[in-house]
Amino acid sequence: TQLLEQSPQFLSIQEGENLTVYCNSSSVFSSLQWYRQEPGEGPVLLVTVVTGGEVKKLKRLTFQFGDARKDSSLHITAAQPGDTGLYLCAGGDGNKLVFGAGTILRVKS
Amino acid sequence: KAGVTQTPRYLIKTRGQQVTLSCSPISGHRSVSWYQQTPGQGLQFLFEYFSETQRNKGNFPGRFSGRQFSNSRSEMNVSTLELGDSALYLCASSLGSTFNEQFFGPGTRLTVL
Repeated sequence: TQLLEQSPQFLSIQEGENLTVYCNSSSVFSSLQWYRQEPGEGPVLLVTVVTGGEVKKLKRLTFQFGDARKDSSLHITAAQPGDTGLYLCAGGDGNKLVFGAGTILRVKS
Repeated sequence: KAGVTQTPRYLIKTRGQQVTLSCSPISGHRSVSWYQQTPGQGLQFLFEYFSETQRNKGNFPGRFSGRQFSNSRSEMNVSTLELGDSALYLCASSLGSTFNEQFFGPGTRLTVL
């Protein structure tokens, strides 16, 4: 069974700070996706990375896929209260996704 | 383009009853996956349907079943409900391609009393 470990579990920071969320596994994934979920709603896809070493930027968010395709990171620059939510990484395992436990991010103004 | 829709959004049932949840995927998407989300276990994969066939299945008991119709709409059924089945049930649709970029609906919040 493939597992994804996310860290940290919780993060509470002030507006304007930077942060990094990590997603690690001992298994290789064909792709890795990052989602953000708000209470009572479904996860919203932020990005998909498929190539080892790939870096993608989405405004203040930077996503990196490890060279060996076993790990990924999400870096947020100058966090804003609107970034508050549950961040989930998910690894592609054939035709299903394996999810990490998630990181709860709270950005205080 | 309309997103994934799920009905109903909220449901309250009692132990022993059965429930059916519905999911309409994004137009053109042929794969529908179902997930259960709980605070303790996080998001867990239930099953995936593609072209009316179950293509993948997670580690859930046989009380959890699903089906997909020719228009790609999907239903999942849970029989003999238990208190532990209380969860947010999420449906996700995708084109069904290899790296499986999935788009989620808002979920159905099921409470079992």
